Amino acid sequence: KAGVTQTPRYLIKTRGQQVTLSCSPISGHRSVSWYQQTPGQGLQFLFEYFSETQRNKGNFPGRFSGRQFSNSRSEMNVSTLELGDSALYLCASSLDRPLQETQYFGPGTRLLVL
Amino acid sequence: GESVGLHLPTLSVQEGDNSIINCAYSNSASDYFIWYKQESGKGPQFIIDIRSNMDKRQGQRVTVLLNKTVKHLSLQIAATQPGDSAVYFCAENIRTGGFKTIFGAGTRLFVKA
Repeated sequence: KAGVTQTPRYLIKTRGQQVTLSCSPISGHRSVSWYQQTPGQGLQFLFEYFSETQRNKGNFPGRFSGRQFSNSRSEMNVSTLELGDSALYLCASSLDRPLQETQYFGPGTRLLVL
Repeated sequence: GESVGLHLPTLSVQEGDNSIINCAYSNSASDYFIWYKQESGKGPQFIIDIRSNMDKRQGQRVTVLLNKTVKHLSLQIAATQPGDSAVYFCAENIRTGGFKTIFGAGTRLFVKA
């Protein structure tokens, strides 16, 4: 079974631009979560989607948004990019059934904002 | 507030020795805990998990211990190998409608040959 895939793997943008990152979960997984990883802040939860609905959101400004499609694929968008948005963005998927809630991560998208 | 923290940011062990990585959590409502391993350039990889109704769980060369009294989690790696060198994160799942996972700061494990 294929793992979680994320595209693109690397991205360079300039301040003020916007960016869209894509995540394809493991087949059959309906829960998709997004995380931001930076050396200073570690792994921070952005949001979680299940059946096209955002169920949870972390403490990030409204510039960070996401969505999930009917096939469980998810995208996240960051508008008006700032230098501090440079990070590794990780997507994770889960079955989210009782006793089957382990999240499996993709390789991440490394975003550099200049 | 909610947090999962690590006592030691860096751990260096000799190949063949056992490694112990510790973690403290503060959210008593969490019922599921996970250890992840992250190698350079890769996403976190699931190692082992444990539920709050257990205090110990064993996998292949790894054991996770949970002490709910003091809100402490540990990962033990037996016969540590060079391939174990990575950053290890503990994490807890918090149920709030859906769930969100709170990660610790991470511990970097160095294995000396």
